Amino acid sequence: KAGVTQTPRYLIKTRGQQVTLSCSPISGHRSVSWYQQTPGQGLQFLFEYFSETQRNKGNFPGRFSGRQFSNSRSEMNVSTLELGDSALYLCASSMGQGNTEAFFGQGTRLTVV
Amino acid sequence: GESVGLHLPTLSVQEGDNSIINCAYSNSASDYFIWYKQESGKGPQFIIDIRSNMDKRQGQRVTVLLNKTVKHLSLQIAATQPGDSAVYFCAENIGAGNMLTFGGGTRLMVKP
Repeated sequence: KAGVTQTPRYLIKTRGQQVTLSCSPISGHRSVSWYQQTPGQGLQFLFEYFSETQRNKGNFPGRFSGRQFSNSRSEMNVSTLELGDSALYLCASSMGQGNTEAFFGQGTRLTVV
Repeated sequence: GESVGLHLPTLSVQEGDNSIINCAYSNSASDYFIWYKQESGKGPQFIIDIRSNMDKRQGQRVTVLLNKTVKHLSLQIAATQPGDSAVYFCAENIGAGNMLTFGGGTRLMVKP
């Protein structure tokens, strides 16, 4: 069974640009959550999608958004990039109803210059 | 566990010894907990989970203990191996949905 796949693995963007990251969950998983990992703040929850609907949202500005497609694949978008958005963005996939095992992808390393 | 900043506690153990990694979680309403292992350049890897109606759960070479009275979680690794060297995170979840709150992490270093 394939694991969680995130693309691209690495990305370099300029301040002010926007970026879209992609996540393909484990087959059969309907929940996709996104996290930001930085040395200063650790792992922080961004948002969760379940059956194409945002179910939970973390404390991030509106520049961070996401969506989920009918095949459970998810994308997150960051607009008007800031230097502080440089981080490892991780996607986690779960069966769906909550309080179930969440499996992470390898992440996308975003560098904003 | 509130995510904390730059300082990452380090636990150094001898190969073959048992390791105990501790975590204090923040929300008494949390009802599901997971331990993750993260190696350099990789995403967190699921190790073991426990629900709040349990106080102990065992896996292969790992045991998680939950003390709800003091909001404390621990991960015990038996016969620690060099391949166990990584950063370990505890995470908590509340209710419906998958919205994990992570602790700051502990770096485990295994000396051969």
